[in-house]
Amino acid sequence: QVHLEQSASGVTNPGASVKVSCETSGYTFATYPISWVRLAPGQGLEWMGWISGGDTKYAQTFQGRLTLTADTSTATVYMELKNVRSDDTATYFCARTSFSNYFDIWGRGTLVTVSS
Amino acid sequence: QSALNQPPSASGSLGQSVTISCSGSSSDTDFYAFLSYYVSWYQQHPGKAPKLLIYEVSKRPSGVSDRFSGSRSGNTASLTVSGLQADDEADYYCLSYSGSNTWVFGGGTKLTVL
Repeated sequence: QVHLEQSASGVTNPGASVKVSCETSGYTFATYPISWVRLAPGQGLEWMGWISGGDTKYAQTFQGRLTLTADTSTATVYMELKNVRSDDTATYFCARTSFSNYFDIWGRGTLVTVSS
Repeated sequence: QSALNQPPSASGSLGQSVTISCSGSSSDTDFYAFLSYYVSWYQQHPGKAPKLLIYEVSKRPSGVSDRFSGSRSGNTASLTVSGLQADDEADYYCLSYSGSNTWVFGGGTKLTVL
């Protein structure tokens, strides 16, 4: 069945970069884009960006700090956030994006804690 | 910029129905066209991933209870939860496509089952 497996949670120092992976399985990887969403403590869900093949789109909030990449050989998508701050502490989710613009399958989430 | 406005909280008693609204606003007139078709709803329990409840305004994925229904009137989409159960207590989010491969979430509504 369709599954998105995310990398383990971790702690990152302020100013560093964090990279989260999302390994997909159970469907043809190239057929569906992947979106990234985060949930910060006390906040709501926030759409971060989208990747489809070699195309990417980022929310304005993350322009210049967010990079999404894909490895088609392993059907894995990566989310890298640079120069992290304490308010980047959040659970980051990858989600398969359907043709009708909804997110049908989600990863379990990766908690990133920014702390020195 | 486009935005979706949800009430921060809603409540209902066991067995009753509750409706959560999601009102769109944007300086981009195309957003309202997207709002007509590409609204989806998600349920999120604490510490869990969001779960798709409704897509394309009113369609239910297989496996989702028919107690969940979606509708739209003008620039406002709504999610109705009928026959409230204890497990329905969760956060609910609307999502709309906003063009050029971008999306926007509503602020979320915390549903309390009394």
